[in-house]
Amino acid sequence: DTGVSQNPRHKITKRGQNVTFRCDPISEHNRLYWYRQTLGQGPEFLTYFQNEAQLEKSRLLSDRFSAERPKGSFSTLEIQRTEQGDSAMYLCASSLVANQPQHFGDGTRLSIL
Amino acid sequence: DAKTTQPPSMDCAEGRAANLPCNHSTISGNEYVYWYRQIHSQGPQYIIHGLKNNETNEMASLIITEDRKSSTLILPHATLRDTAVYYCTAGGTSNGKLTFGQGTILTVHP
Repeated sequence: DTGVSQNPRHKITKRGQNVTFRCDPISEHNRLYWYRQTLGQGPEFLTYFQNEAQLEKSRLLSDRFSAERPKGSFSTLEIQRTEQGDSAMYLCASSLVANQPQHFGDGTRLSIL
Repeated sequence: DAKTTQPPSMDCAEGRAANLPCNHSTISGNEYVYWYRQIHSQGPQYIIHGLKNNETNEMASLIITEDRKSSTLILPHATLRDTAVYYCTAGGTSNGKLTFGQGTILTVHP
């Protein structure tokens, strides 16, 4: 399967801990997006990369959140000092260029105890 | 960023066509309309997209009005496995980010 891969699928952590998620996009896809989805809502845009450059960040992405895409391949999303409100599904998507369909991974579900 | 509006839920009989409407009256000229569906605990699955013309693929057909303010996703012969949340969204050619609404819960019943 050459789709978007996200790890881990589930993460349970205590409030105040740091967590890191990984996304492996479809090979040769230049664009990589992160979204967050809470129960009953559609995905909300967080940030996106064109190759290794992070080009836009949503106001939802507080200073506790950081994302990287070294060498324009996989990406990581780190949340520092997690809070209850960070509990959500974190989705990664990739596309070849901006107006081509984004293909999503199955997400990482984060639960904060 | 275009805002989309969809009915919260719809029902469809198995084997019949499912027609899911979407309003995107604020869409700009360079924004594509995309349709995705999502089954619980999975990521959104791409279905189809279009700019101005109607589109068809192996999964569905997309009808876009001439003024581009609304569209309809058509599943020609719905099956029980088509039960899912369907999202209509729009994205531009600059940043490509998608703005999702709450979607339509489609229930296909026997």
